[in-house]
Amino acid sequence: DTAVSQTPKYLVTQMGNDKSIKCEQNLGHDTMYWYKQDSKKFLKIMFSYNNKELIINETVPNRFSPKSPDKAHLNLHINSLELGDSAVYFCASSQLGQGEKLFFGSGTQLSVL
Amino acid sequence: GENVGLHLPTLSVQEGDNSIINCAYSNSASDYFIWYKQESGKGPQFIIDIRSNMDKRQGQRVTVLLNKTVKHLSLQIAATQPGDSAVYFCAEILTGGGNKLTFGTGTQLKVEL
Repeated sequence: DTAVSQTPKYLVTQMGNDKSIKCEQNLGHDTMYWYKQDSKKFLKIMFSYNNKELIINETVPNRFSPKSPDKAHLNLHINSLELGDSAVYFCASSQLGQGEKLFFGSGTQLSVL
Repeated sequence: GENVGLHLPTLSVQEGDNSIINCAYSNSASDYFIWYKQESGKGPQFIIDIRSNMDKRQGQRVTVLLNKTVKHLSLQIAATQPGDSAVYFCAEILTGGGNKLTFGTGTQLKVEL
């Protein structure tokens, strides 16, 4: 059983489109995250949610909107996709109080053409 | 701003040798320093962490050393195996700062047979 699963694994789309990435964790964790990894492998946090409440919101364009229907799910919706949004997006989760130990999904490779 | 950086982008070692991956950090207020391993096509995976009040911690075939005087962190892998080939990230977290895990730029470890 996959602990943190995200779909789709690959996403190829045109500029200007709207797309969503879904994430689910079955670890019973309270905190979930979205990270962006660029072409140079640099990982940067975008958002974190604790039990459906937004905790961290880094300097991310308003086109990115996270949604947490329950503590096991954190989806990422992106409006009006731009070329610069091309990256690998990772969902992660952690136990409350153990923010140093993240469990990552396998990533979604987003390519904006 | 504060950042976590690595000295070497690529490290090549012979199978069976020991590997040492280094990291420099600048935020002396961080509570934990962590190492993650990212294999090709996968999400980062937690390896080992060390609290800021410690200078050494050992795991299975891995040792993390923390030198707060020079703000230096290292990961030592004993008897490096082909399966150790991956990108290694150091990271830091200030638990009172919203539990935001900040990653360094990564070092590619290549194990030669």
